[in-house]
Amino acid sequence: AQSVTQLDSQVPVFEEAPVELRCNYSSSVSVYLFWYVQYPNQGLQLLLKYLSGSTLVKGINGFEAEFNKSQTSFHLRKPSVHISDTAEYFCAVRGSGGYQKVTFGTGTKLQVIP
Amino acid sequence: GAVVSQHPSWVICKSGTSVKIECRSLDFQATTMFWYRQFPKQSLMLMATSNEGSKATYEQGVEKDKFLINHASLTLSTLTVTSAHPEDSSFYICSAAGWGGVDEQYFGPGTRLTVT
Repeated sequence: AQSVTQLDSQVPVFEEAPVELRCNYSSSVSVYLFWYVQYPNQGLQLLLKYLSGSTLVKGINGFEAEFNKSQTSFHLRKPSVHISDTAEYFCAVRGSGGYQKVTFGTGTKLQVIP
Repeated sequence: GAVVSQHPSWVICKSGTSVKIECRSLDFQATTMFWYRQFPKQSLMLMATSNEGSKATYEQGVEKDKFLINHASLTLSTLTVTSAHPEDSSFYICSAAGWGGVDEQYFGPGTRLTVT
C-alpha cells in the first residue's frame, strides 16, 4: 500500500515569483510518481512523471520535480509562475510493478496573485 | 497524445432515476479503465478498475450494485449510477491505460452529476 501527503492545501504566490509545491509519499515497494494539474471543472492533465533514471524530471509549462528517495519526496517547482498556472495540483504515486492503482494526494490549490 | 472523452459533461437527474456516463478512448485501445469520484475541494477517489471483457474490480466501500461498470470494448467503458440520490452528486472522472502499461493514465474531462 502507498500513501501521498501534500502538506499545503493552498499556496498563494505573486506572479513571476518562484513556487514549490510539496509532496511526500510512503510505499513499501518501488514507485512511480506523477504530478497532475486540474483546472476548474476539468479532468486531470499530466504535468510530469518519474519512472526511473534521472531524479530531476522536467514537465510541461515550465514545471519540474525532483525525486528524493531518502526523503521520500517529489516536490514540484517552477521558477516563475503565471496567472494561467492558477489551478489545483495533485501528486500521485503507484507501485512500479504491473497494473497497480494510482493513489492521489489531497491536492494543492495554487493561487497566482497578479 | 492519447485522448479520452466523457459524455455527458454534466447531467442533472431526479432522485430515484439512473444515469449512464460514457468514457471513450478516442485514439488508442484501452485495456484498462478506471473510474474516480471527486467531491468538491477533495482528491480523486478510485471507485473501480475495469478490464475489457471482464468484471470490474471495485474498491472497498463502493457499492457494485449501485455503480454498474461495463467495459464492453477496448474503447468504451460505461458507469451507470442506479437509483441515484442527492448524495451521489459528484464529479466523476474516468481514465484509461493502453497496451503499453499503466505508467500513465489518460484522464477524461469529467462528468458533473447533480441529483435533485
